[in-house]
Amino acid sequence: DSGVTQTPKHLITATGQRVTLRCSPRSGDLSVYWYQQSLDQGLQFLIQYYNGEERAKGNILERFSAQQFPDLHSELNLSSLELGDSALYFCASSPTSRGETQYFGPGTRLLVL
Amino acid sequence: AQSVTQLDSQVPVFEEAPVELRCNYSSSVSVYLFWYVQYPNQGLQLLLKYLSGSTLVKGINGFEAEFNKSQTSFHLRKPSVHISDTAEYFCAVKGAQKLVFGQGTRLTINP
Repeated sequence: DSGVTQTPKHLITATGQRVTLRCSPRSGDLSVYWYQQSLDQGLQFLIQYYNGEERAKGNILERFSAQQFPDLHSELNLSSLELGDSALYFCASSPTSRGETQYFGPGTRLLVL
Repeated sequence: AQSVTQLDSQVPVFEEAPVELRCNYSSSVSVYLFWYVQYPNQGLQLLLKYLSGSTLVKGINGFEAEFNKSQTSFHLRKPSVHISDTAEYFCAVKGAQKLVFGQGTRLTINP
């Protein structure tokens, strides 16, 4: 158990819909990272927040957005969902902004029908 | 920019045999290197990491890896595998910002 929690574990929705994925980092960790794992793209970094502020951006679509709240939990919002958004979404946390060591949550499996 | 190549997509081995999972990276800056393991239907677990210092890094579950700067490699080894090591293994490199993962190597242990 990494100490990172993610909810929900599974999510089934339809194309065009919007969903919110939630992540609680390990106690004391200020950085939160979001990753997408799909069969065709592999594991890809989406975005990083550090202490409430966006720190780095990866291959995140404009339809996706994230935020980190004062209690340090983070939410990833996915809108106008497409079939290709079906994937496993991981959250990771790290005590520092550099993220030398990241601890991953169990993931949220999203299925878009 | 950094990139990672895991040279084998699948590696089948017999139980108690040694195994090596190969990883090469590309980067124009100093990097940190990692190996993560993903068991079926689970998240990623850190096996080991190289940040600096000794090039031979020991991790959990009897795994170790050697950082070779001249060959830009970070191969993962275990002298004797168990059925429970069946999983997907990911090599990752981190430069200034993001963590970049390889495509993964599926390790299958046969009895």
